[in-house]
Amino acid sequence: ELKVEQNPLFLSMQEGKNYTIYCNYSTTSDRLYWYRQDPGKSLESLFVLLSNGAVKQEGRLMASLDTKARLSTLHITAAVHDLSATYFCAVPEGTYKYIFGTGTRLKVLA
Amino acid sequence: DADVTQTPRNRITKTGKRIMLECSQTKGHDRMYWYRQDPGLGLRLIYYSFDVKDINKGEISDGYSVSRQAQAKFSLSLESAIPNQTALYFCATSDGGRRETQYFGPGTRLLVL
Repeated sequence: ELKVEQNPLFLSMQEGKNYTIYCNYSTTSDRLYWYRQDPGKSLESLFVLLSNGAVKQEGRLMASLDTKARLSTLHITAAVHDLSATYFCAVPEGTYKYIFGTGTRLKVLA
Repeated sequence: DADVTQTPRNRITKTGKRIMLECSQTKGHDRMYWYRQDPGLGLRLIYYSFDVKDINKGEISDGYSVSRQAQAKFSLSLESAIPNQTALYFCATSDGGRRETQYFGPGTRLLVL
């Protein structure tokens, strides 16, 4: 049974600082997804990582995937308040199901 | 207009009542999903469907049923609602394929008293 764990669960950081969110998963997968959820809103796709060593960047966010370590990271560079949200990773189980992590709630303080 | 819509957006009901949550999509996707979100538990899959004739149970299907009325419509029913079904429910669609991405509806907030 695939398990997906994120850490930290909560992250409070100052504007301008850097930090990394981690997503570990328990069984082999060559794909991983990152989503963002604003309070009271739906989930929005951020990144699709399709292979070992994949790296995607958009703005102050960069995601990477190491399939051998079963680990993905979401790195935040020079955080700004607008990045405050909950971030989820999701890993496909088999062909049709997605297992989501518990989410990392990020709060960026001015 | 939103690509994935859900109705109602908020619902309060009483224990034992039957309720239906509806999802419609205009993205033309074959795959549709129902999830529930609870604080600290992420999203858990209730049911999924890959076309109108294909319905599959997810992790937590007990107490729920679904109907795929058309490619664009996927409904979730709670036959006899109970308080621990209080949650935020999301419908999602996807296009399949290697770069498959799920597109989520706005969610339905359900409170069972």
